[in-house]
This record gives sequence, C-alpha cells and structure tokens, in this order.
Amino acid sequence: ETGVTQSPTHLIKTRGQQVTLRCSSQSGHNTVSWYQQALGQGPQFIFQYYREEENGRGNFPPRFSGLQFPNYSSELNVNALELDDSALYLCASSYDPQGASYGYTFGSGTRLTVV
Amino acid sequence: SQKIEQNSEALNIQEGKTATLTCNYTNYSPAYLQWYRQDPGRGPVFLLLIRENEKEKRKERLKVTFDTTLKQSLFHITASQPADSATYLCALGRDSNYQLIWGAGTKLIIKP
Repeated sequence: ETGVTQSPTHLIKTRGQQVTLRCSSQSGHNTVSWYQQALGQGPQFIFQYYREEENGRGNFPPRFSGLQFPNYSSELNVNALELDDSALYLCASSYDPQGASYGYTFGSGTRLTVV
Repeated sequence: SQKIEQNSEALNIQEGKTATLTCNYTNYSPAYLQWYRQDPGRGPVFLLLIRENEKEKRKERLKVTFDTTLKQSLFHITASQPADSATYLCALGRDSNYQLIWGAGTKLIIKP
C-alpha cells in the first residue's frame, strides 16, 4: 500500500487564475473525497467521487470541480481563484463512501496561497 | 445549522496520565462518529469509528464513547506519551449522506 499522495505540496497563484490539484488514491480504494481546511479549523467537505461519478457535494460554488479516473487518481480544479480560497486542500480515499469500515486515508495536502 | 464543539483551548496533560477530549454536537443526528489525529502540516490520520448503537470502542490505549442522548463523544488516551501530542479532530456522518461534518479540533500537549 502506498497511501494517498497529493501534488504539488505548495502553490502560489494570483487572484482570478485557475488551479488543478492532483491526488493519487490508496490502491483498492474506489472513493475519493476532497476537503478544504483553513488554519485552525476542521476540514470542510467539497465533494466526493465514487467509481468516477460525483457522489455528493458540499456548500462550494460550481467553480470548484473535480474528476476521478479509472486508475484511482483524482483532480480538483478551481476556477477564478479568490483570496478566500487560500487554504490546505486535502484528498482522502476510502474503501466505501462513508469510510465506515476503515475511515478515510488522507494525503498530506496541498497548501494553496492566492495573492 | 449543525454545530460541533471541541475544546478550543489546548489541553496540557502530564505524561502517564489519561487525556480526555470532548466532542459535543447540536442540530444533528449522526449515524457514526470518527476520531482523527492531525500533526502540523499533515493530513488527518484515522483512529477510531463508533456507530450510534455502540456505547464504547477501544483500540490499544485509545477509548471512545458515544452518548446520543447527551449528544457527546469522549475520546480517552490512557498512559499518555509525548508522542501523543497532536490535534485531535472528531467528525460526524450519516449513512444517507457521505459528507463528514468536522469539529475544529483540540490541541493536546503531553508534557514529560
């Protein structure tokens, strides 16, 4: 098992730009969830993909979009970046959508700074 | 709207003692509750899951309780060690909705 890997680890973008964050899920996991975590706060659910289909979405605008690929990898795309988008973006994979068997396995995150 | 409260101030515990962290929630009826550990600059690490029909779960030095009447979960670390120092997060979920609702976490500091 290789765990969950995310890239890049850090990123600085200008307001209005677009960004793509990448995640490689743990082998055998068919579900991937993306979270946004502000400093000193708990993660906020963005959306989840199960077998390449969006399986649920949190309270985030449509400029946040994603994809899941057959090889377990996933992307988070954010268009028209705003200053408030600055945060740690976490990818989590699991054997099932609820993470009810073994919880979620998180990557170390991508620290996005919008200037 | 749903709200999850964890101790906002850091919890300082002497090595060897039992650390107890609380997670209180309102306006929500979770089917299960998960506890995670998060170190600075890292993603959360899954520790334990407890379902609404379970009173207590144990794993090595960890114990979690779940009281749906009080709307509270307690997380205990016995024989605490400096390596247990981290931020501990609770997260609530439902079987019908795959969105976890997270607390802000409690920073635990174990002093030698």
